[in-house]
Amino acid sequence: AQSVAQPEDQVNVAEGNPLTVKCTYSVSGNPYLFWYVQYPNRGLQFLLKYITGDNLVKGSYGFEAEFNKSQTSFHLKKPSALVSDSALYFCAVRDGNTGNQFYFGTGTSLTVIP
Amino acid sequence: ETGVTQSPTHLIKTRGQQVTLRCSSQSGHNTVSWYQQALGQGPQFIFQYYREEENGRGNFPPRFSGLQFPNYSSELNVNALELDDSALYLCASSLYWGDEQYFGPGTRLTVT
Repeated sequence: AQSVAQPEDQVNVAEGNPLTVKCTYSVSGNPYLFWYVQYPNRGLQFLLKYITGDNLVKGSYGFEAEFNKSQTSFHLKKPSALVSDSALYFCAVRDGNTGNQFYFGTGTSLTVIP
Repeated sequence: ETGVTQSPTHLIKTRGQQVTLRCSSQSGHNTVSWYQQALGQGPQFIFQYYREEENGRGNFPPRFSGLQFPNYSSELNVNALELDDSALYLCASSLYWGDEQYFGPGTRLTVT
């Protein structure tokens, strides 16, 4: 069965420190992986995706994510956190067989402390 | 470029009633997906429409149905509303049915 796990409901990090939001997945076929961010009272915004190629992908707002096939992980990272990065982050995986279903994790609330 | 829009923003319905939610896709996008997001949860895939045809469906009962129009806008219809249907309903459009999605702000449905 396809699934996405975000093991941390809440991540706190000090402003200026590096941040990591974790994601592991289970999917048939080749994984297409995505990160989205949800700000309060706003829809989800696309951050970045991995389809193929370099395991380190770069996205919007200075975020990047590392695909690790052996660990079936796709952790979101940023070298230096900003207070404005505080939001809810969702990892998503595309069904590898049909390609038309997306499975989302339960979300990780990131708080950047000034 | 116009983003994804949804209407209405909020809706209150009574158990057993029917509801229609609407979505306009981003310009140039021919694929629309609908999601249900319960409080504190991630979005759950309901179904996807690609060029006016249903292109995939999640684990939702048949009382959840949809349409996509020639201009690629879409409707989500829910019949015989239940209390558990209370949630944020998100619409997302994409250029390609497997690609990244662009979400609307959602419709908050409350069933009493």
